[in-house]
Amino acid sequence: DAGITQSPRYKITETGRQVTLMCHQTWSHSYMFWYRQDLGHGLRLIYYSAAADITDKGEVPDGYVVSRSKTENFPLTLESATRSQTSVYFCASSARQARKNIQYFGAGTRLSVL
Amino acid sequence: ELKVEQNPLFLSMQEGKNYTIYCNYSTTSDRLYWYRQDPGKSLESLFVLLSNGAVKQEGRLMASLDTKARLSTLHITAAVHDLSATYFCAVDLFNTGTASKLTFGTGTRLQVTL
Repeated sequence: DAGITQSPRYKITETGRQVTLMCHQTWSHSYMFWYRQDLGHGLRLIYYSAAADITDKGEVPDGYVVSRSKTENFPLTLESATRSQTSVYFCASSARQARKNIQYFGAGTRLSVL
Repeated sequence: ELKVEQNPLFLSMQEGKNYTIYCNYSTTSDRLYWYRQDPGKSLESLFVLLSNGAVKQEGRLMASLDTKARLSTLHITAAVHDLSATYFCAVDLFNTGTASKLTFGTGTRLQVTL
């Protein structure tokens, strides 16, 4: 199906483990984003990417790594998961176009770190 | 650092009533977004406001932007139960016409009761 998909939808892991959250979009959007959503904080930007092989930090990048070898994929890796990284993670994408630049969001991944 | 504040954080209103959600932000920006999120779901774009004085309407929702006051409002007219959701405003930092780097408010959880 066309759109933006995230996997897995739910993940439980243990402290110290490496976890990778996947994000795939079929629109060929240039820009992709990772957010985390926590109660009382709204959504906070972790990393974003303007194109393949171009990534940059957002507001809360510590403990996360991203890569973008292909336009359609933007995986997020927690190198050594901590309990504070328990959250709902959303991936988003947007086209490179003037003015509107609406971001379209995936369904989210609910991650629990025990 | 850009700060985006929404109020109220929680709003319980009766069907048929009118109410307004406020979104204040701390740094100059002429691009503001409103999103809706149903419980356990992704975010859906509602409005994009691109200039001072912009007003957009869709059904019972109307959004406006005052860039001089750094204020956006989301007005709900004659609320119905289907409008129950969390509403987020998000402000774009870039202002460059390329990708939006969004800072989200904490959200307003709207509950419409009979």
